[in-house]
Amino acid sequence: GQNIDQPTEMTATEGAIVQINCTYQTSGFNGLFWYQQHAGEAPTFLSYNVLDGLEEKGRFSSFLSRSKGYSYLLLKELQMKDSASYLCAVSDSNYQLIWGAGTKLIIKP
Amino acid sequence: GAVVSQHPSWVICKSGTSVKIECRSLDFQATTMFWYRQFPKQSLMLMATSNEGSKATYEQGVEKDKFLINHASLTLSTLTVTSAHPEDSSFYICSARGLASGIYEQFFGPGTRLTVL
Repeated sequence: GQNIDQPTEMTATEGAIVQINCTYQTSGFNGLFWYQQHAGEAPTFLSYNVLDGLEEKGRFSSFLSRSKGYSYLLLKELQMKDSASYLCAVSDSNYQLIWGAGTKLIIKP
Repeated sequence: GAVVSQHPSWVICKSGTSVKIECRSLDFQATTMFWYRQFPKQSLMLMATSNEGSKATYEQGVEKDKFLINHASLTLSTLTVTSAHPEDSSFYICSARGLASGIYEQFFGPGTRLTVL
């Protein structure tokens, strides 16, 4: 079957760095997405990785290792507004998104 | 980035009534649109996938006669919740797949919060 695993909840301090991991097993792979979702709102796109390596976009970076079925989202200089759920999703061989359950990130002052 | 609109943003209705939710891709053509449902504190759950001009493909456990999906054009898909009941109260999110910067990306609408009394 297809499976995406990510931690349920993480806590970090304002100004710090946090890494959210995602492991996946899917039928085919056409890229991995990270989305941010604030409570009561629709997800917003953060990053897309299809090749191995690190993609940096401001305070957020995303890493992919296809051989290990592994990705992480790195958030630097955490701000209170970064408190949200972070969803990992893999595009399978049919370009359908397989979703992880999401990681709730709590930022403390 | 590409924009997907959804209307209405929230709706309250009586049990037994039908509710229609519209999803539009405003600046790109979406050959495929997805409808998701999200209950509080849970992840997105795919309800159905619709391709323009053809019947929607429903996920297991989703009643196609209750959740009617119409994808009449490359920019519009509608979800009708027929004979809504309180257990249908949820956050409904549509998503449209289109080409952006060389990759197929899913763009999400802002969601519709449905409350059935």
